Amino acid sequence: DTEVTQTPKHLVMGMTNKKSLKCEQHMGHRAMYWYKQKAKKPPELMFVYSYEKLSINESVPSRFSPECPNSSLLNLHLHALQPEDSALYLCASSPNRVAKNIQYFGAGTRLSVL
Amino acid sequence: DAKTTQPPSMDCAEGRAANLPCNHSTISGNEYVYWYRQIHSQGPQYIIHGLKNNETNEMASLIITEDRKSSTLILPHATLRDTAVYYCIVRADTGRRALTFGSGTRLQVQP
Repeated sequence: DTEVTQTPKHLVMGMTNKKSLKCEQHMGHRAMYWYKQKAKKPPELMFVYSYEKLSINESVPSRFSPECPNSSLLNLHLHALQPEDSALYLCASSPNRVAKNIQYFGAGTRLSVL
Repeated sequence: DAKTTQPPSMDCAEGRAANLPCNHSTISGNEYVYWYRQIHSQGPQYIIHGLKNNETNEMASLIITEDRKSSTLILPHATLRDTAVYYCIVRADTGRRALTFGSGTRLQVQP
């Protein structure tokens, strides 16, 4: 099973809402990632978790709050977002080794902030 | 990680080979060439990677020049399902695990 599952597939939220994106994998991977992708642009890294600990935060605004409750789950909590935060949010996982670090991506959550 | 340059778009006839070039003239000795693709409305998908030898798997072949300054991804018999954005990524197998995506090549396979 090489699947990374992201829920929900689509999300519409107002600027005052609080919502969460969820990502799940059962490949035994110990590194998990959040990427953000604006329309017609390549994915951009937001966060990296390694062994359930945050190892990289690419200067992401605090209105995005990641959480890794266990080795299979990754959440992204959203609060007080702006319309410019509308994008496709991609989760990925990989073995926690640097060499041959192939990443497996989910299909993403398409977020619209009104 | 070294910067890559890819043509923004390419067309290919269905059933023909698709050859996607990538320039990575500043690549370092410990940096691998990775290829991913992203079909519309899906997450990126790993295709293949290599260091200096040519590589082949069930999806594609990767040809790396002897000086390693450029590479070509070959899809031997392109189908309509291969229409996607193809990303060439150069990445060292030490340090940062995350991928840095460039602009990629939008491949359109024509019937």
